[in-house]
Amino acid sequence: ETGVTQTPRHLVMGMTNKKSLKCEQHLGHNAMYWYKQSAKKPLELMFVYSLEERVENNSVPSRFSPECPNSSHLFLHLHTLQPEDSALYLCASSQEVVDSPLHFGNGTRLTVT
Amino acid sequence: KQEVTQIPAALSVPEGENLVLNCSFTDSAIYNLQWFRQDPGKGLTSLLLIQSSQREQTSGRLNASLDKSSGRSTLYIAASQPGDSATYLCAVFSNDYKLSFGAGTTVTVRA
Repeated sequence: ETGVTQTPRHLVMGMTNKKSLKCEQHLGHNAMYWYKQSAKKPLELMFVYSLEERVENNSVPSRFSPECPNSSHLFLHLHTLQPEDSALYLCASSQEVVDSPLHFGNGTRLTVT
Repeated sequence: KQEVTQIPAALSVPEGENLVLNCSFTDSAIYNLQWFRQDPGKGLTSLLLIQSSQREQTSGRLNASLDKSSGRSTLYIAASQPGDSATYLCAVFSNDYKLSFGAGTTVTVRA
């Protein structure tokens, strides 16, 4: 039990589909993150939310749309993805954006066909 | 832009041997450095966090050192066990509020 729960664990979608990834943290943290992990590459930060406000958008294509309705939940809405978007998508949380350890979920393995 | 490098990319050792994992970063203006462990198909687990003012942190068999001026950190794992087999990543939190990850070192401990 990591304290950060991601669903679904696996997702296969076509390029014309619309789907959403969900993340929930039970740690009382104020900051939440989306990261993308592709094979043999360093983790890439996608979005950062602090107290439900987006504080970082790391030049992510608009086909990825985040939503943070409250400090415990984070979504990543997906539409018209490309095969190169296939990756492990990791959600994380921390007490604050600065100087706090990150706690990660187990990720959603996304395959775009 | 902060660049984080981990060498080697993979490491295989017999059980009981000490592990030494290296991490280097290009910009010494950092808040902290974290070491993570990732098991196959899983998320990351935080192992140690070293503040920029600290030289090292210890937790059980793990010891991490930080030399900010030279842009280096080393993670030592004493008396390795097969359960230590995983990928180890370091991440640097820079003064521009960005967290940059290395690509990781994949460790295999042979029984």
